[in-house]
Amino acid sequence: SAVISQKPSRDICQRGTSLTIQCQVDSQVTMMFWYRQQPGQSLTLIATANQGSEATYESGFVIDKFPISRPNLTFSTLTVSNMSPEDSSIYLCSVGASGVSYNEQFFGPGTRLTVL
Amino acid sequence: GQNIDQPTEMTATEGAIVQINCTYQTSGFNGLFWYQQHAGEAPTFLSYNVLDGLEEKGRFSSFLSRSKGYSYLLLKELQMKDSASYLCAVVDSNYQLIWGAGTKLIIKP
Repeated sequence: SAVISQKPSRDICQRGTSLTIQCQVDSQVTMMFWYRQQPGQSLTLIATANQGSEATYESGFVIDKFPISRPNLTFSTLTVSNMSPEDSSIYLCSVGASGVSYNEQFFGPGTRLTVL
Repeated sequence: GQNIDQPTEMTATEGAIVQINCTYQTSGFNGLFWYQQHAGEAPTFLSYNVLDGLEEKGRFSSFLSRSKGYSYLLLKELQMKDSASYLCAVVDSNYQLIWGAGTKLIIKP
């Protein structure tokens, strides 16, 4: 198993600003995943963060809007840029058992973002 | 396209049994997960099925029929703490996880 922490746990931001969310894992993992979960909705994968290479973004998500850093094997950040109220959501990071997405995933507690 | 269907909401009584269904149409199949998510918390793993049949784990069981594109999660001896959303997720042929919208389960005394 993996223990994952996220900062901040919640934030209220103004339109047009940016917020960086941090994700820390207690063990070294190759891939980390960033999800968005809007109220009452399912999880939507934003991107896969690989250490030492560019993140891989899913359809509908672009690097300019959601830049990701992955400086080492235990840490990643997701920035939500130029925010609008539509970005209000819960953002979750996760890792997969054995480092792959299709195994059991362990999730961080999430960051609840409200954009005014 | 890829699609996973689950009921939006279900209500059950403490001590009873409830079955939450999940049907899927995906490009290939490499396994199906069930996760539990309490309000305001992260999802936690409940079960994984890749072969047909029933997997039992305490009060929770998960069933899979690949030919029917169907799974269910069975919760027995319901407790108030079982009130949560239950998410079904399928691994497709590209080993991508496709998530259902989740079923909100409300337990009444």
